[in-house]
Amino acid sequence: EDQVTQSPEALRLQEGESSSLNCSYTVSGLRGLFWYRQDPGKGPEFLFTLYSAGEEKEKERLKATLTKKESFLHITAPKPEDSATYLCAVQRGRDDKIIFGKGTRLHILP
Amino acid sequence: KAGVTQTPRYLIKTRGQQVTLSCSPISGHRSVSWYQQTPGQGLQFLFEYFSETQRNKGNFPGRFSGRQFSNSRSEMNVSTLELGDSALYLCASSLGLAGGSMDEQFFGPGTRLTVL
Repeated sequence: EDQVTQSPEALRLQEGESSSLNCSYTVSGLRGLFWYRQDPGKGPEFLFTLYSAGEEKEKERLKATLTKKESFLHITAPKPEDSATYLCAVQRGRDDKIIFGKGTRLHILP
Repeated sequence: KAGVTQTPRYLIKTRGQQVTLSCSPISGHRSVSWYQQTPGQGLQFLFEYFSETQRNKGNFPGRFSGRQFSNSRSEMNVSTLELGDSALYLCASSLGLAGGSMDEQFFGPGTRLTVL
């Protein structure tokens, strides 16, 4: 069964303490992988789309990477405003269905 | 430009009733997708509409339906509400590039539905 698993479920870091969030997936024919950020009471905000293994994308303190089995969202020197839930989703190639992981709740302490 | 808007923002219904939620996409966007978000299941894909046609569908019962109008606005309907339908319903719009939903999706703030 196709699925997306994110780990850890929750992560608390000190401001400036870099870390990585993991998104592992099993899907038949990956069309692409998305990363989103969601703040409480709001809809998800698009961050990145990755299409093929080896691809990397960066935006401010965030860097997303993709392998054939997983993706990492690296957060460098995070600030309190980076606190949010980070969601990973994959799009299945055979029918374009999108499958979301349950997210990682990130809390950055000042 | 204006973002994705959803109405109403909050809704309380009782079991057995039906509900209609509305989504207005970003101007120029032709694809609208609907998602259900719950603490236990996370975000689950309901369906996607493109140019007034359902292009993709998730694994939800037939009580969940939708439609899209010629101006790309979309509505989602849930009939015979159950307690388990309580959730945040999110709408996302995108340009709707050929072949699916791989282009960037912009989400609305959601409609919080509570079923009593």
